[in-house]
Amino acid sequence: NAGVMQNPRHLVRRRGQEARLRCSPMKGHSHVYWYRQLPEEGLKFMVYLQKENIIDESGMPKERFSAEFPKEGPSILRIQQVVRGDSAAYFCASSPDTSNQPQHFGDGTRLSIL
Amino acid sequence: QKEVEQDPGPLSVPEGAIVSLNCTYSNSAFQYFMWYRQYSRKGPELLMYTYSSGNKEDGRFTAQVDKSSKYISLFIRDSQPSDSATYLCAMRGLTGGGNKLTFGTGTQLKVEL
Repeated sequence: NAGVMQNPRHLVRRRGQEARLRCSPMKGHSHVYWYRQLPEEGLKFMVYLQKENIIDESGMPKERFSAEFPKEGPSILRIQQVVRGDSAAYFCASSPDTSNQPQHFGDGTRLSIL
Repeated sequence: QKEVEQDPGPLSVPEGAIVSLNCTYSNSAFQYFMWYRQYSRKGPELLMYTYSSGNKEDGRFTAQVDKSSKYISLFIRDSQPSDSATYLCAMRGLTGGGNKLTFGTGTQLKVEL
């Protein structure tokens, strides 16, 4: 499967725990984007990363949320001390470069906070 | 006011009908326009990708962009039950202005037999 791979597909956490969401971009893609989708709302941009660099994190909450895309391995979206309001579907997208290329999405991680 | 407005529907049409889906936007910096289809519990799937004003056709799908009116459309001809999904419009500015996509809330479409 050459598509964007996200895991886990479903994640359940209790309030106060940490959530780690992983994303492997499409082969040949070096740009990764994270979006959050709340019920009845559209996808909202969170963060844009290239290998080892955060390019734009304007949509990501300043506290508890962090993202990385290391030289080796998948991109990780980390949410510390989760709260009920973090329950959402988190989607990762990738693109090959910054010019004229659309983003392709994975099937998301559905995070539920108990 | 949201940057991108999209009627959430639901929109119900009979099989074979022509479907028209629309979005309006307020940010004149948007230059790239996309339509994604999203089935329940799945990720958005890219349908159409256009730059600036004009029409683009791909099979049963036609995308139109009218930048003067800040209005984009997706037409689906000969609609099929398998087209039943949520359709998301998305847009972004030029490279350097940010690659982040701004989405509409999606229109839920149901094509009935």
